[in-house]
Amino acid sequence: DQQVKQNSPSLSVQEGRISILNCDYTNSMFDYFLWYKKYPAEGPTFLISISSIKDKNEDGRFTVFLNKSAKHLSLHIVPSQPGDSAVYFCAASDDMRFGAGTRLTVKP
Amino acid sequence: NAGVTQTPKFRILKIGQSMTLQCTQDMNHNYMYWYRQDPGMGLKLIYYSVGAGITDKGEVPNGYNVSRSTTEDFPLRLELAAPSQTSVYFCASKSIGQLYGYTFGSGTRLTVV
Repeated sequence: DQQVKQNSPSLSVQEGRISILNCDYTNSMFDYFLWYKKYPAEGPTFLISISSIKDKNEDGRFTVFLNKSAKHLSLHIVPSQPGDSAVYFCAASDDMRFGAGTRLTVKP
Repeated sequence: NAGVTQTPKFRILKIGQSMTLQCTQDMNHNYMYWYRQDPGMGLKLIYYSVGAGITDKGEVPNGYNVSRSTTEDFPLRLELAAPSQTSVYFCASKSIGQLYGYTFGSGTRLTVV
């Protein structure tokens, strides 16, 4: 059973606007959550993480929010740029499985 | 550059053929993993290893075998290729206690016809 789920397979936003990618999990004991970014023909690369003891982590244009009571995390990209167009995966550090991914398209 | 190296990058196999996908890392990572990504789908864990001599099945191990004779190498073997194994295969590694996740290779695109 999938413990980390991304229910939106795709998202399209206009350049300069906010992109919000969502992820739900089932195991409240997870320690760390991570987001990866994947371009076509490349392996995924680490983007940003958040500890379960925090509710927000920011790195430049990327912010991850964690809502433990809802078992939900989200990745915010502000402002979105065409170069952000990629597939984004969420994962839990304690688990070797990834969400199904969300394909983000940022239109110029 | 240090990292995870996968070979080959592309391969076309006929049904029933066998092949080995190579994966090598030079970061002295203990943990290594094989994932596959089908078109439009997420990453599925095939096999993983927590150290030399130790391997274990992931979510989708059928049709595959692995070995881990050294820390550096984690080859994935397909014995009787089937069209359902057409996919992109990613190898990844991680150090014990590493908080920031995996280092991935650039992938092997396999087509079985």
